[in-house]
Amino acid sequence: EDKVVQSPLSLVVHEGDTVTLNCSYEVTNFRSLLWYKQEKKAPTFLFMLTSSGIEKKSGRLSSILDKKELFSILNITATQTGDSAIYLCAVCTSYDKVIFGPGTSLSVIP
Amino acid sequence: EPEVTQTPSHQVTQMGQEVILRCVPISNHLYFYWYRQILGQKVEFLVSFYNNEISEKSEIFDDQFSVERPDGSNFTLKIRSTKLEDSAMYFCASREDYRGFDEQYFGPGTRLTVT
Repeated sequence: EDKVVQSPLSLVVHEGDTVTLNCSYEVTNFRSLLWYKQEKKAPTFLFMLTSSGIEKKSGRLSSILDKKELFSILNITATQTGDSAIYLCAVCTSYDKVIFGPGTSLSVIP
Repeated sequence: EPEVTQTPSHQVTQMGQEVILRCVPISNHLYFYWYRQILGQKVEFLVSFYNNEISEKSEIFDDQFSVERPDGSNFTLKIRSTKLEDSAMYFCASREDYRGFDEQYFGPGTRLTVT
């Protein structure tokens, strides 16, 4: 059965801290791994990863994929209160099925 | 900026009734999806749709559910004979026909409450 696991499930940090969120997967017919941020309602896209070892960056956020070990990490440096959200990891298969993990709930306190 | 829209934002229905959730994907997108998220739980894939056909569906998407693209703009999810456990937020998403690029744009969701 396809599955995506995220850790930790919940995290509380202070502003300025750096956090690392983890995602591991067991999926047949892997096509890509996606990171989303979910605040109040709909998820918003952060990154898509398809190749191992290539870091994607956007401002203070970065992510990398290891297809041999079947995991990805999302790093957030110099966290701000606006980073408080649920971070979702999802894997797309070749047959256009998308499996989401449970998410990591990040709270950044001033 | 183009966006996915969904109507209604909140639907309340009685158990056993049929509901239709509506979505207008971004106009040049060709791949469409429905997801649900029960309160406090993870986002669950229901179905993907391309070229007027279902590409893939999950175990959740049984005979109670159906999808349709009745015209060039709308994408609908029909739930027949709703059950209490169908209460959830339903998200529609779409993406471009761009090989290898899986970014999906999500709509704001329809909260379905079955009483």
